[in-house]
Amino acid sequence: DQQVKQNSPSLSVQEGRISILNCDYTNSMFDYFLWYKKYPAEGPTFLISISSIKDKNEDGRFTVFLNKSAKHLSLHIVPSQPGDSAVYFCAAYGGTSYGKLTFGQGTILTVHP
Amino acid sequence: NAGVTQTPKFQVLKTGQSMTLQCAQDMNHNSMYWYRQDPGMGLRLIYYSASEGTTDKGEVPNGYNVSRLNKREFSLRLESAAPSQTSVYFCASTQDSYNQPQHFGDGTRLSIL
Repeated sequence: DQQVKQNSPSLSVQEGRISILNCDYTNSMFDYFLWYKKYPAEGPTFLISISSIKDKNEDGRFTVFLNKSAKHLSLHIVPSQPGDSAVYFCAAYGGTSYGKLTFGQGTILTVHP
Repeated sequence: NAGVTQTPKFQVLKTGQSMTLQCAQDMNHNSMYWYRQDPGMGLRLIYYSASEGTTDKGEVPNGYNVSRLNKREFSLRLESAAPSQTSVYFCASTQDSYNQPQHFGDGTRLSIL
């Protein structure tokens, strides 16, 4: 039972344009959401997070939006750069699994020069 | 500036062999985690340790054991390796297991023949 889903395995974007990565969840008890970025042969690195009491959080080029009623979050990268090419994972805390992060499957983002 | 260090980086085992994956963090974090990453599956939690002296099962604990040796070190042991345990293993840590970003090592790539 995949409680956090990233339904797009890959996304291709032109440099300078917006990248939008999507994530859906099924557990209404999730209360904190994170995005991680992963380069090949490296571990995931934390990018940005959002609490369920907010609907938007911004950090430079990265903005995360949360729609609790739809159980959906998205990561916007504006403008996209070739160095943003990586695998992006969304993850969630909460529910019955206190202290445990539940990850989505990941989306491969490719930003073309 | 080490953060989370995992050893070894690569390993090839034969079915039935045993092995211990090592993880150490230098951030004085209380909580530590072991994940495995398989294609199309995201990261799945194997075991975690909320604090020194405690360990608990995650989503996929079968075939693994863990030891929280001290606050810095958290090891993962495969007693009798199976081909299904071929994966990339990540160790992570965080100060507090509640709604804090986890910091990851660069992984151990394990192949079992």
